[in-house]
Formats: sequence, C-alpha cells, structure tokens
Amino acid sequence: DSGVTQTPKHLITATGQRVTLRCSPRSGDLSVYWYQQSLDQGLQFLIQYYNGEERAKGNILERFSAQQFPDLHSELNLSSLELGDSALYFCASSVAGANTDTQYFGPGTRLTVL
Amino acid sequence: QKEVEQDPGPLSVPEGAIVSLNCTYSNSAFQYFMWYRQYSRKGPELLMYTYSSGNKEDGRFTAQVDKSSKYISLFIRDSQPSDSATYLCAMSFNSGYSTLTFGKGTMLLVSP
Repeated sequence: DSGVTQTPKHLITATGQRVTLRCSPRSGDLSVYWYQQSLDQGLQFLIQYYNGEERAKGNILERFSAQQFPDLHSELNLSSLELGDSALYFCASSVAGANTDTQYFGPGTRLTVL
Repeated sequence: QKEVEQDPGPLSVPEGAIVSLNCTYSNSAFQYFMWYRQYSRKGPELLMYTYSSGNKEDGRFTAQVDKSSKYISLFIRDSQPSDSATYLCAMSFNSGYSTLTFGKGTMLLVSP
C-alpha cells in the first residue's frame, strides 16, 4: 500500500458526460501528479501540482482540468467525455515535487466511456 | 519516432534466469533515468533511478545507462515468479520540476 488513495476505483459513464476523480496524497507529501494509462499510449503525464499551485503540464487535453485543495487532496475533472478517454487514471504524490523524489502511485481509477 | 521506445514483450523466462530489460530514447537532454515495476491492476512503483551514465546496483537489480548510445537497461539476477510484472522505464531532463516521460513497458513472466 503506497499511502495514496484514489476514488472511485471504477467509473462507467457515457460519451459527453463529465466526471471527477479524487486523489489523497500520502501524509506529508506536497506534490500531486496525474497520469493517464492506456494500451496504445502507455503512461502519459497529465499535470502536476505542488502545494496548491500548478507546477507542470503534460499531455492534458483542454477538456480536462485539475486542482489541488488546501488540504492537499486533488481532483481531476474530465468533461465532454469521448470513447478514447477510457483509460486508467493514476494519481501519484511525492514529498517536494523534484523528479528525483520518489513518486508513490495510487491504485488508479478505471474509467470506461460507453 | 517516439521519445522512449520499449519492447512490450511478453518476455518469458524460467525461474533463476538473468533478465535484461531495455529502453532506447531519442532526446539526448534526458539526464535522469528510472525503472518502475507495475503489477497487474496496481500502480507503478519506483525500483531504481540513476543519473547520467553508469551503473547502479540494488540487490538483484542493476540499472545501466549508456548515454552515448541512448540506451538504458535493467538487469534482474536470479529472477523469481514474484518478479512477473510490467517494467516501465522513465526519464526526465533535470532534477527540477520537469516531467517524466515513460516507455510503454515490457511485460515479464517468470515461470517456476
């Protein structure tokens, strides 16, 4: 158990809908990362937050947004969902956000868009 | 050409074998290299990371980086069935806040 929690574990929804994925980092970790994992694209970095502020942005679509709250939990919002958004979404956390910090991954949320 | 290439496998070996997992990359600016292990239905976990070129050993695992060839390797000695997982390489440009770029992963199956 990495100490990172993600809810829900599974999500099934329809095209065009909007969903929110939630992540609680390990106690004491200030940085949160979001990743998308699919069979064809592999693990893709989406976005990083550090202590409430956006720190780095990767291949995140404009339909997706995220935020980190004062209690350091984070939410990833996915809107106008398309079939291609079906994937595993991972949250990870680290102490300070440097790339040499160990990133601890949560168990993931499996999103299925029908 | 993708930035990081990794053979998806599966790579099947008998217990006790030495396993070699590899990644190639195209961007010579990558400085930090990592290996993650991902069990089925779990999140990735960091195994090792190395800076620039050279070797690093941790128990049965050895990571090698050859920056001149843009090639990194992970060796597993005395492989065990519990090593059966997908192994992802990852790399980044510096020790700051730049993002990680992952390979797609190689599935390893170690049979008893």
